Amino acid sequence: NAGVTQTPKFQVLKTGQSMTLQCAQDMNHEYMSWYRQDPGMGLRLIHYSVGAGITDQGEVPNGYNVSRSTTEDFPLRLLSAAPSQTSVYFCASSPGTSGTSSYNEQFFGPGTRLTVL
Amino acid sequence: SQQGEEDPQALSIQEGENATMNCSYKTSINNLQWYRQNSGRGLVHLILIRSNEREKHSGRLRVTLDTSKKSSSLLITASRAADTASYFCATVALYGGSQGNLIFGKGTKLSVKP
Repeated sequence: NAGVTQTPKFQVLKTGQSMTLQCAQDMNHEYMSWYRQDPGMGLRLIHYSVGAGITDQGEVPNGYNVSRSTTEDFPLRLLSAAPSQTSVYFCASSPGTSGTSSYNEQFFGPGTRLTVL
Repeated sequence: SQQGEEDPQALSIQEGENATMNCSYKTSINNLQWYRQNSGRGLVHLILIRSNEREKHSGRLRVTLDTSKKSSSLLITASRAADTASYFCATVALYGGSQGNLIFGKGTKLSVKP
């Protein structure tokens, strides 16, 4: 199993550009999530999904969109990039039954380092 | 808002010594988890302790949980240079806006000198 994969590893954007960060998992996990990690701030939850077709907002959702059309994929879209979105983005997934799958250990991808100029 | 807060923010020890990190949280939880992050890498799950458990072991790791004090500690015994990493506690809240999601603290940066 590849686990959780993220592409790209690095990305530089100009203010106002849009892009999609890709995340895929091959473990058939129901729960998937996106976090951003900033120096001194730990990880903060952006959006999450408890299954295909179901998404919800986390702590810092503004400026980001997500969709979950399949169990495997959970892309994160930056609509109009801003310098405040410079960060390292992590995707994670978690096994378990519906409703409690977020309660289990999460498997993290390697991250995408994004710089917005 | 951050649910868990680790203490200390940074810890430097010699190889062979024990390392203790503490975590405090604010609301009632389903479980508390500890993760490790090596520099420039993703997070790796270390151990999960449920709210009805008081202590758990995994190899050189020992985790305690005191729900009355809303605190947990992670002990790494006989530390090695390879243990150098940042360690995060994360909680799954039972109630509130973050209910059901894993909320992370800011982490403890551990440096183990050979």
